[in-house]
Amino acid sequence: KNEVEQSPQNLTAQEGEFITINCSYSVGISALHWLQQHPGGGIVSLFMLSSGKKKHGRLIATINIQEKHSSLHITASHPRDSAVYICAVARGAQKLVFGQGTRLTINP
Amino acid sequence: GAGVSQSPSNKVTEKGKDVELRCDPISGHTALYWYRQSLGQGLEFLIYFQGNSAPDKSGLPSDRFSAERTGGSVSTLTIQRTQQEDSAVYLCASSRDGTNQPQHFGDGTRLSIL
Repeated sequence: KNEVEQSPQNLTAQEGEFITINCSYSVGISALHWLQQHPGGGIVSLFMLSSGKKKHGRLIATINIQEKHSSLHITASHPRDSAVYICAVARGAQKLVFGQGTRLTINP
Repeated sequence: GAGVSQSPSNKVTEKGKDVELRCDPISGHTALYWYRQSLGQGLEFLIYFQGNSAPDKSGLPSDRFSAERTGGSVSTLTIQRTQQEDSAVYLCASSRDGTNQPQHFGDGTRLSIL
């Protein structure tokens, strides 16, 4: 079993829908990262959190340390949100252990 | 520069050759990471540098892989006697220090071994 599990692996939705991507992990962590990877490969850090909730524009990330679970939400989704979203956990010195990613497609 | 710079962006080489991949982190960032993204395998950690401390090499897949960081800035990842399974995108990231900080990724080097 992978240390970091994401669900769903693939998600297709219509523009405007509320999107939720889930991440569960099985180890102790110092922080959890949500990353976005667009076609062409560039990776952008969206959030880094160790407790509670963070919001940036239409993106919201939450984490429950006791349940070892995090969610990434996208409100009012748009085709430009189409990308692979990757959950990664930091153990100790911040080297990351990655989930397999969720491929999100938003249709107009 | 404003971001993490990696070169070359693409590298095609024959099996058995040595390759060097370069990473120029964001100025002032003391932490530098190398990751690998293989087709269908997701991202995996390779090696981590923090300041003048000994690097964490725990992710290097074999002794054909090595990395160095000169002067606390530019890093070079070297793969000796390349094999086809080394084909992947090699990504470098840097962060301000080794504590809870966001990591900034370069665009990667796509390595293809023929």
